[in-house]
Amino acid sequence: GESVGLHLPTLSVQEGDNSIINCAYSNSASDYFIWYKQESGKGPQFIIDIRSNMDKRQGQRVTVLLNKTVKHLSLQIAATQPGDSAVYFCAVMYSGGGADGLTFGKGTHLIIQP
Amino acid sequence: NAGVMQNPRHLVRRRGQEARLRCSPVKGHSHVYWYRQLPEEGLKFMVYLQKENIIDESGMPKERFSAEFPKEGPSILRIQQVVRGDSAAYFCASSLGQGALNFGPGTRLTVT
Repeated sequence: GESVGLHLPTLSVQEGDNSIINCAYSNSASDYFIWYKQESGKGPQFIIDIRSNMDKRQGQRVTVLLNKTVKHLSLQIAATQPGDSAVYFCAVMYSGGGADGLTFGKGTHLIIQP
Repeated sequence: NAGVMQNPRHLVRRRGQEARLRCSPVKGHSHVYWYRQLPEEGLKFMVYLQKENIIDESGMPKERFSAEFPKEGPSILRIQQVVRGDSAAYFCASSLGQGALNFGPGTRLTVT
C-alpha cells in the first residue's frame, strides 16, 4: 500500500514571502501526484498535479517539484497572499495498479501573517 | 458547468438512525469516490464506484456502511444505525477515470 506524510502540520509565513510545503510518499510505483487546497468548511480544491515522467511543473504562483529518488514532493507558493491561508494536502496515486483513489497526507495548515 | 454536488451539506442524526448522503458527479463523469475526513485529519478513502458497479470498497467498514451509484440518479452513501464515531465530513469526488478528482463541498454528519 501507500502511505503519505507531511513534514510540518503547520507553517506560518509573512504575507509576500514564498512558502514551501513538503510531502513524502512510500510507494516507488506511485506515478501521479496532486496538491489540493482545502479552506475551512469546504471541499478540497485542485491546485496542481504532476506525473512521474516530470520533475517540475509550474502554475500561476505555484510550482510542484518531484524527487522520485527520495520519494519527495513539494509545493512552492510564491508571494503568498491572505487567500492562500488553508490546509494543503498532497495526494498520491498509482494509476496502473489498484482501483482505489488517491492516498492523502494529513495536511499542512498554511498561515499567512499580515 | 456545475461541479460535484453533495446534499445535504449538514446532517444531524441521533444514534441508531440512518444517514443518507447524496452525490451528483460532474456531468459526464462516471467514476465516483467517497472519502471521510475527521477533524485535523486527511481524507481517508472509502469506496470507488462506476455506474452501477462497486469497483473498490476496501476503505469502507464492512458493517452498517453501503454505497451505490445507480444508472440514473446520484451516488448514495448510506450509514445505518449511526454511532457517535461516524461523525465526520464525508466528501464525494468524481473523475473521468484518469487525472485529478473533483471534490464536492462535503456533507458534515453529526451524530448526537
